[in-house]
Amino acid sequence: KAGVTQTPRYLIKTRGQQVTLSCSPISGHRSVSWYQQTPGQGLQFLFEYFSETQRNKGNFPGRFSGRQFSNSRSEMNVSTLELGDSALYLCAGQADGNQPQHFGDGTRLSIL
Amino acid sequence: SQQGEEDPQALSIQEGENATMNCSYKTSINNLQWYRQNSGRGLVHLILIRSNEREKHSGRLRVTLDTSKKSSSLLITASRAADTASYFCATGFRGSSNTGKLIFGQGTTLQVKP
Repeated sequence: KAGVTQTPRYLIKTRGQQVTLSCSPISGHRSVSWYQQTPGQGLQFLFEYFSETQRNKGNFPGRFSGRQFSNSRSEMNVSTLELGDSALYLCAGQADGNQPQHFGDGTRLSIL
Repeated sequence: SQQGEEDPQALSIQEGENATMNCSYKTSINNLQWYRQNSGRGLVHLILIRSNEREKHSGRLRVTLDTSKKSSSLLITASRAADTASYFCATGFRGSSNTGKLIFGQGTTLQVKP
């Protein structure tokens, strides 16, 4: 079956702009989680969506938001971009809480 | 702050040798997972071990879990150059067993020299 698809793979933005990233999980995976990976902070949990509802949230400012659609595809949005938002953003789908998460290859976001 | 601490941060070995990575965590967990990441790519799931399990094998991989010490180890036997990657442990919390929130360690960078 097809893997997790994240688009775009690379993105360059400037400070103050906003960005939307997309994630399509494996068919049947209703939970989608987002993570931010930076050299300094490592992998940090952003939020999780399940059945179109945010089920869990990490410690990120309100500039970071997301949503999930009825087909389980998810988007995350970052508004008023800051230099520190430069990172690899990974999404992962999951069938249920005791199963592994399946990750996409991420979106590399660079802020100029 | 991240829950998992991994040791060592970097490991360099020759092909054919074994590699052992350790992970410690702070709170009660539902499961512990190990992932591999090749440079610039996403994470690939290796093994999930539940809190009531002590050891698990998958091919050349062996994972142990000691919940009394809040620690886990990943052993890769007969390493290959293709095993060169970063390895992360991640914990799923008890009390949120149905959620997807994972807390990752800082990772171990493994280099296997041919």
